[in-house]
Amino acid sequence: KAGVTQTPRYLIKTRGQQVTLSCSPISGHRSVSWYQQTPGQGLQFLFEYFSETQRNKGNFPGRFSGRQFSNSRSEMNVSTLELGDSALYLCASSLETGRLTHGYTFGSGTRLTVV
Amino acid sequence: GQQVMQIPQYQHVQEGEDFTTYCNSSTTLSNIQWYKQRPGGHPVFLIQLVKSGEVKKQKRLTFQFGEAKKNSSLHITATQTTDVGTYFCAGQQRDDKIIFGKGTRLHILP
Repeated sequence: KAGVTQTPRYLIKTRGQQVTLSCSPISGHRSVSWYQQTPGQGLQFLFEYFSETQRNKGNFPGRFSGRQFSNSRSEMNVSTLELGDSALYLCASSLETGRLTHGYTFGSGTRLTVV
Repeated sequence: GQQVMQIPQYQHVQEGEDFTTYCNSSTTLSNIQWYKQRPGGHPVFLIQLVKSGEVKKQKRLTFQFGEAKKNSSLHITATQTTDVGTYFCAGQQRDDKIIFGKGTRLHILP
């Protein structure tokens, strides 16, 4: 079956611009989570969506937002880009039983460079 | 706040030697997961531990979950060059957030 698909793979933006990243989860997975990965900070949790609802949110400023559609596809948006937003943005989908997450399947990520 | 600490940050081992990475949470976890990320790749799920004191094995990899469900370890026996990468633990918190450790980068010396 198809894996988690993230688009685009690479993106270069200038400070002040905004960006939208897309993620298509594995078919049947209703939970989609987003992480920011940088060399210094590792994997930082951004947010999690389940059935079109944001279920959890990390400690990122309001410039970071996301949404999930009825087909479980998710987008995240970053407005007013800053140099420090340069990172690999990873999307992960998972199956759940109750509140137990059965391991993430990650996409290949979107490499965002802000100049 | 919720934290998952992972040590060591880096580990260089001779091929054939053993390797262990440790993970400690500031809070009790619902479960812990382990991932491997090869250089230039994305994290790949290895295993999930749910029960207190649980031990699971995958070939040369042994995973343990502490009795208090606050710590975990991954041990690799007789490392091979294919084991190169960064190993992450990820703890699912009581509020269901999954918090990753910063990872242990394993480098194998031939």
